[in-house]
Amino acid sequence: AQSVTQLDSQVPVFEEAPVELRCNYSSSVSVYLFWYVQYPNQGLQLLLKYLSGSTLVKGINGFEAEFNKSQTSFHLRKPSVHISDTAEYFCAVSVDTNAGKSTFGDGTTLTVKP
Amino acid sequence: DAGITQSPRYKITETGRQVTLMCHQTWSHSYMFWYRQDLGHGLRLIYYSAAADITDKGEVPDGYVVSRSKTENFPLTLESATRSQTSVYFCASFSVNYGYTFGSGTRLTVV
Repeated sequence: AQSVTQLDSQVPVFEEAPVELRCNYSSSVSVYLFWYVQYPNQGLQLLLKYLSGSTLVKGINGFEAEFNKSQTSFHLRKPSVHISDTAEYFCAVSVDTNAGKSTFGDGTTLTVKP
Repeated sequence: DAGITQSPRYKITETGRQVTLMCHQTWSHSYMFWYRQDLGHGLRLIYYSAAADITDKGEVPDGYVVSRSKTENFPLTLESATRSQTSVYFCASFSVNYGYTFGSGTRLTVV
């Protein structure tokens, strides 16, 4: 079975600073990887996904993530954050043999300070 | 708008009552899910369905019942509500190309 670990439960950062939210996974088979964002009192929405091909994937709101197979990581980055990026971020993994059932990490709360 | 519609948005019920949370998708995604989200526990999978008439237990299924007679609907029933079932409930569907699409959630309070 696959698993996901988000290495930081909370990440405080100042506005316009870069940020990296870390995600490691474990799986013995090929994976699909996702990042979701949840704003207060809302459901989760897809930020970006890795299915195959280029290991650097770009998503909405200026976020990007890099799939590193050797390190089994899928870290999320943004070069310059805004106050509006304050939210909870979830990493998720699906295996290609059962793609419909993702395993979610516990979430990372990103707080952007002025 | 296309997507996942959950109803009601907010619900207060009494202990011991049966309550049903509704979920409707406008696509025809095979997979649908019910999660609960509680502070300190992240998302926990209650039940999921791979297709109409196929359902399976998730991590925390006790006290819940689901059905999926049609692809687009996936209701979740609390047979006899308890205070520990106070939570925010999210329904979702999945496709490989779009990942999970979540509804806006139902905030359930059991008093």
